[in-house]
Formats: sequence, C-alpha cells, structure tokens
Amino acid sequence: AQSVAQPEDQVNVAEGNPLTVKCTYSVSGNPYLFWYVQYPNRGLQFLLKYITGDNLVKGSYGFEAEFNKSQTSFHLKKPSALVSDSALYFCAVRPDTGRRALTFGSGTRLQVQP
Amino acid sequence: ETGVTQTPRHLVMGMTNKKSLKCEQHLGHNAMYWYKQSAKKPLELMFVYSLEERVENNSVPSRFSPECPNSSHLFLHLHTLQPEDSALYLCASSQRGGNEQYFGPGTRLTVT
Repeated sequence: AQSVAQPEDQVNVAEGNPLTVKCTYSVSGNPYLFWYVQYPNRGLQFLLKYITGDNLVKGSYGFEAEFNKSQTSFHLKKPSALVSDSALYFCAVRPDTGRRALTFGSGTRLQVQP
Repeated sequence: ETGVTQTPRHLVMGMTNKKSLKCEQHLGHNAMYWYKQSAKKPLELMFVYSLEERVENNSVPSRFSPECPNSSHLFLHLHTLQPEDSALYLCASSQRGGNEQYFGPGTRLTVT
C-alpha cells in the first residue's frame, strides 16, 4: 500500500523568504510524485510532477520540488515567497505500474506574512 | 477551472433526502474520479471510472451511488446520508493512464 506524509499542518514564512513544504512517501516500485495547491473555495490545481529524470522539478508559479530517493522525500520549495502563495498544499504519489489512482497527504497550510 | 465543472457548489440536505451531485469535464479525458475532502484528513478516493467503467470502489457506503453515463459526465447519487458525510466532494478527470488529474471546484455538502 502507498502512503504520503506531510508532517507539518501549517508553515509560516515571511514574504520574500524561501519556503519549504515537506513530503515523504511510501510506495512499491518507482514513484510518480505530484504537488497540488488548493485556494479557498476552489478545487485542487496541479503544480508539478516527478516521473523520471532530473531530481529537481520545476513547476507553476515559480515552485520547484526535489526528489530524493534515499530519503523517500519530495519537498516543495520556492526561493522567494509571495503573500498570494498562501494556500493549502497537497503532495500525492502513485506507483509507476499497477493502481493508477493517486494517494494524497493530509495537506499543509502555507501562510505567507507580508 | 472551467475544464471541470461541478454542480451544485453548495448543498444542504436532511438525512432522509435524495440528491445528486453532477460533474462535467470539457478536457476530452476518459477517466473520472470522486474524492471526499474532510477537514484535516487526506483526500479520500471514493470511486474511479475509466472509459465509463467503474474500476475502483474504495469501501464506500452504499448510500453513495456513482453513475458515469459517458466520458464527460459523472454523478454521485446520495440517499439517507449521515451528518459525518458532510464534506467537500471533489470530482477530477484525467487521461486513462495519464498522470495529472484536473479537479473541479467541489460541492460543499452539509447533512443536517
């Protein structure tokens, strides 16, 4: 069975500072990893994914994520946070074969203070 | 967000009512999903349809009944719900075998 852990319920960061939202996963086989963002009263929006290749993945809105196989982590990062980045962030995983449905983490609320 | 639409956006129903949630995708996808989102819990995958065939049902109570009449439409029929069923219900779609899922805005359901 696959699982995702987002150890922080909330992350607070000042505008202009770098941000990191943590994610670790467990899956059989090779992982396909995803980050989604949810703004208030909206559905989830796809940010970025890791399938294969370069461990550093770049996505929408200046976000990037680093795949670390030995630590089974896929942390989301941004060099300079904006107040508009404040939202709920979800990490998700699925194996490269077999069941294709995503397993999501419980989400991390990012609060960027002006 | 116009790629996947959901109606209604908000629904309040009593435990004896019958209602339906509707999802429509305009992306040409052939797989659709229902998720339940409760506060401080991971998204719970409820049902998966691929090419209009239900391929996954994650031990969801029978008071939730999905229907997928074609690749663009997905329904969730509700009857005799419980207060603990109150949540945000999200619909998503993807290409069969694809990776990214595209989500609708959700239906906020309150069971009284």
